[in-house]
Amino acid sequence: GAGVSQSPSNKVTEKGKDVELRCDPISGHTALYWYRQRLGQGLEFLIYFQGNSAPDKSGLPSDRFSAERTGESVSTLTIQRTQQEDSAVYLCASSLAAGSSPLHFGNGTRLTVT
Amino acid sequence: AQSVTQLGSHVSVSEGALVLLRCNYSSSVPPYLFWYVQYPNQGLQLLLKYTSAATLVKGINGFEAEFKKSETSFHLTKPSAHMSDAAEYFCAVSDVGGTSYGKLTFGQGTILTVHP
Repeated sequence: GAGVSQSPSNKVTEKGKDVELRCDPISGHTALYWYRQRLGQGLEFLIYFQGNSAPDKSGLPSDRFSAERTGESVSTLTIQRTQQEDSAVYLCASSLAAGSSPLHFGNGTRLTVT
Repeated sequence: AQSVTQLGSHVSVSEGALVLLRCNYSSSVPPYLFWYVQYPNQGLQLLLKYTSAATLVKGINGFEAEFKKSETSFHLTKPSAHMSDAAEYFCAVSDVGGTSYGKLTFGQGTILTVHP
């Protein structure tokens, strides 16, 4: 079946512009996660959605970052007024349910801010 | 909140040698624990997981990990390394209670290099 799909795969933007990254989770997966992976670094938790519960936004680095998810479907991560330090690979993952279910990762969006 | 520490950002072994990648977590209760692998130019995929059943967990490609509550560890091992095992390995811990239930926190990753 289809896996987690992320778009665009690559995005180059100028400093100060807004960007929107999209994630299509696996159908039926109630949990959806966003992570950031900077070059040579580990996965940094950004935000987590679980069903209809309020999202855990504790990892968002600043108020320039926001994310939405409509029901149990598509999620968008928006970065406003991008900065060079925002350059990274943004990974989306979904799981059948929160907790013990493994995450299925998309291939990520590589964001470059010039 | 949970945290996880991977000791050693780089590990190098010879083909056929034992692979040992270390992971320690901080938690007051046994969490769910995972190892993920990221091969070059590929996405992350699950190697194995611990969810409070058997403490010795077997995963794909001959890897296994042992949950040791007394040491708060979940080290990943493979008896004999293969060239195809070269990748980056991530340990992860999932919150099992409170408002952060299900939140998955990753370690910094360990890059495994296998020499012929």
